[in-house]
Amino acid sequence: EAQVTQNPRYLITVTGKKLTVTCSQNMNHEYMSWYRQDPGLGLRQIYYSMNVEVTDKGDVPEGYKVSRKEKRNFPLILESPSPNQTSLYFCASSSRLAGAGKQYFGPGTRLTVT
Amino acid sequence: GEDVEQSLFLSVREGDSSVINCTYTDSSSTYLYWYKQEPGAGLQLLTYIFSNMDMKQDQRLTVLLNKKDKHLSLRIADTQTGDSAIYFCADLAFNTDKLIFGTGTRLQVFP
Repeated sequence: EAQVTQNPRYLITVTGKKLTVTCSQNMNHEYMSWYRQDPGLGLRQIYYSMNVEVTDKGDVPEGYKVSRKEKRNFPLILESPSPNQTSLYFCASSSRLAGAGKQYFGPGTRLTVT
Repeated sequence: GEDVEQSLFLSVREGDSSVINCTYTDSSSTYLYWYKQEPGAGLQLLTYIFSNMDMKQDQRLTVLLNKKDKHLSLRIADTQTGDSAIYFCADLAFNTDKLIFGTGTRLQVFP
């Protein structure tokens, strides 16, 4: 089954404790992206990647890091989480052929930073 | 920068039609999309329209595009309780890989 998986689905952590949210897709997609969803603000893009070893900042990259060492994986790293990073995070992917508009989304990771 | 706006809530009775509206500012949009987010799930692409089209119909869904006013709407005919979700409008600008999402409209369907 074609899918985007994220782990963990739920995470409660404390300020300053480094964490990684994993994202993996099995569709051989070139394009992958991370978004955060906050009430009243919709989805905002954090980082995206056009292909292996190619990453770029989205609209709200501060406090986040990403890497794209393999085509299928695109982890999101919070080196020193802060309470304002409490949010619902989504990973998404799409093929170069279909374009960035037709994205497949993961189920989301709800992060709480206390 | 580009902006996409939607009203936050819509409540309709089961069996009625729902119309979800969206406005965007980007004059170079190539495609406009509607995504659906069911409770506790990720977004799922519902439908899309190319910017040189006025209308697209897909079963119970009708997308209308007024390019002059930069207004997009999604009509759901015979709305069912299973249609209760958040609906996001999204804009893909020409020659970019950046999808700009609206704030989402929460559709509540009551019996």
